[in-house]
Amino acid sequence: SQTIHQWPATLVQPVGSPLSLECTVEGTSNPNLYWYRQAAGRGLQLLFYSVGIGQISSEVPQNLSASRPQDRQFILSSKKLLLSDSGFYLCAWSAGNQPQHFGDGTRLSIL
Amino acid sequence: QKEVEQNSGPLSVPEGAIASLNCTYSDRVSQSFFWYRQYSGKSPELIMSIYSNGDKEDGRFTAQLNKASQYVSLLIRDSQPSDSATYLCAVNSGDNFNKFYFGSGTKLNVKP
Repeated sequence: SQTIHQWPATLVQPVGSPLSLECTVEGTSNPNLYWYRQAAGRGLQLLFYSVGIGQISSEVPQNLSASRPQDRQFILSSKKLLLSDSGFYLCAWSAGNQPQHFGDGTRLSIL
Repeated sequence: QKEVEQNSGPLSVPEGAIASLNCTYSDRVSQSFFWYRQYSGKSPELIMSIYSNGDKEDGRFTAQLNKASQYVSLLIRDSQPSDSATYLCAVNSGDNFNKFYFGSGTKLNVKP
């Protein structure tokens, strides 16, 4: 069966520091991969999506970037974090046009 | 960006009652519709998918889709306190990227 791993679970970072969040999927090949952010009490905002290695599309302009160095690895990064980058970051995968399944998420607090 | 609208609630129902959650979407291109349940502090969990007009039942859950009215709903029968959560409606982008667009969610409280 397929599983998705996200880490770390929680992260506290100072303003201006860099960020790297990692997501890996097991048990499937060539998944579609997605990064979302959820602000407190809000819905999920799609940040980035990828349909293959090295193929990254951004949904909204922001202070973040994403990379997919391997088929089942998706990384979310920032060079300098802003206070507005705080939130609950979720990685998801899907097989083609099937439902998306989420990792456990990373709660990011910026001080 | 596609609009997906949900009443934020909270929706309060007594234990054993039927909870009815509603969602409207703006883009007729969307072909797939989903309901996710999210407990506080946790990630969303898929509970229902629906792709064609009409009703789809799975246990205590029934999803209803009306593409002409751009409306999708979720009924929860015999509601239990463990059903208390935020329910997120999602629609897909209708293209090969399978992007999902989420509503802000409806918070459901089931009172014992």
